[in-house]
This record gives sequence, structure tokens and C-alpha cells, in this order.
Amino acid sequence: QVQLQESGPGLVKPSGTLSLTCAVSGGSISSGHWWSWVRQPPGKGLEWIGDIYHTGSTNYNPSLKSRVTISIDKSKNHFSLKLSSVTAADTAVYYCARVAEYCNSGSCDPYYFNYWGQGTLVTVSS
Amino acid sequence: NFMLTQPHSVSESPGKTVTISCTGSSGSIVGNYVQWYQQRPGSAPTTVIYDDNQRPSGVPDRFSGSIDSSSNSASLTISGLKTEDEADYYCQSYDSFNHGVFGGGTKLTVL
Repeated sequence: QVQLQESGPGLVKPSGTLSLTCAVSGGSISSGHWWSWVRQPPGKGLEWIGDIYHTGSTNYNPSLKSRVTISIDKSKNHFSLKLSSVTAADTAVYYCARVAEYCNSGSCDPYYFNYWGQGTLVTVSS
Repeated sequence: NFMLTQPHSVSESPGKTVTISCTGSSGSIVGNYVQWYQQRPGSAPTTVIYDDNQRPSGVPDRFSGSIDSSSNSASLTISGLKTEDEADYYCQSYDSFNHGVFGGGTKLTVL
């Protein structure tokens, strides 16, 4: 059974960089699949941040693209999120997730989140 | 940008059937797999429907999904409502650029 666990600072200062890591257990991050970050501001809905494929290819939410970097570390079996220039609007529960893929004609695209971490609250405040 | 729109809330009595809609805009919902997630307070989302109408193992057959191409919408139907079904429900898909999209969520009250 694949398990994901987010870790990182729970408090980040405005204008700083939010950094989170998602540790994957029960499976190798190199074996395939897309890996994703999703966030949820308090009392609000889910927002997709971006995905990374096991090859390192990335897709980002256009509204966050200029501030987001998602990377993968196969040696540590984890992937990471960096969000720069944060404001109070970035306060949210951040989830990491594994994304099921469907493959057609040699390419594999993401389509649904089949494993989730428990989520970690990150507050942006001075 | 491809968007998914859900009603903010729905309510129904135990034992009844409820349907939650998810309407696509700025793009076709047909051909892009639609998923439904259930989220209880303080917990991560869990999948109740994937691939438009498939149930993961462990999800009761009271949950079903469908697509209506004429209205460019997806629907989640829950029959034989139980108080434990009370939760937030989100539809989700990916657009043609492989950008993930969530609906705004629907709060289901079982009263």
C-alpha cells in the first residue's frame, strides 16, 4: 500500500519561500506515475498546484506557475514543493498525492489522484 | 481556462437519493475523465468515482457516476443516503494541457 507523508515548516513569513517534502513509502517513486501537490485554504475548496512525472517533467497551475517549483529526488524516494513570494493568501493545508496515469500512443497523462497524504497546514504570517 | 462548476450545497433525507452536478465550461467534459472525491472535515479527500463511472474497491454501489454530453456535465448520484455520507464532494478532471481542475465543491447535508 502506497503511503505519502508531507513535512516542512508550519509557519512561513510573508515574502518568504514555502518548502515542503512528500516522502513516499510502499512503492518506488521511480516506477512511474505522476506526483502532485494540491492545497486547500481554510474553509475553501481544493486547488491543484502542479504535477511532476517520474522522469522529471512538470505541469504547473498557470495562476501559480511563476512562483512554483516541483522537484523529485529518486535517491530519497520523495518529491518537493517550493512556492516563493508567499502572502497570507497562500495559507492552506497542502496535500501531496500520487496521480494515476493513462497511457496512449507512447505518452502517459495524469488523470486522477489515487493516494493522498494526510495534509499539512502552512500558515503565512509574520 | 477549463472550469468545473458545482452547486454550493445540497441536502436530502436519509434513505433518499441525491444527485450532485458538475458542469464543464471553456472545454468539453466528454473524453476527459471525471473523478469524484469525498472529503470529511479534517481529512484528506478519498475517491468515490473515477473514470466517469468506476468505483474503487470498498466504495459501496450506492455511489454512481455519469456523464451527460448534451449538457457538458458529470453527475454523482448517491442512493439510500446514510448520515455517514454527509461530507464535501469535489469533481475533478484534467484539461487538454494536463492541468488539474477541481470543481468548487458541494456540501452534502443528510438530515
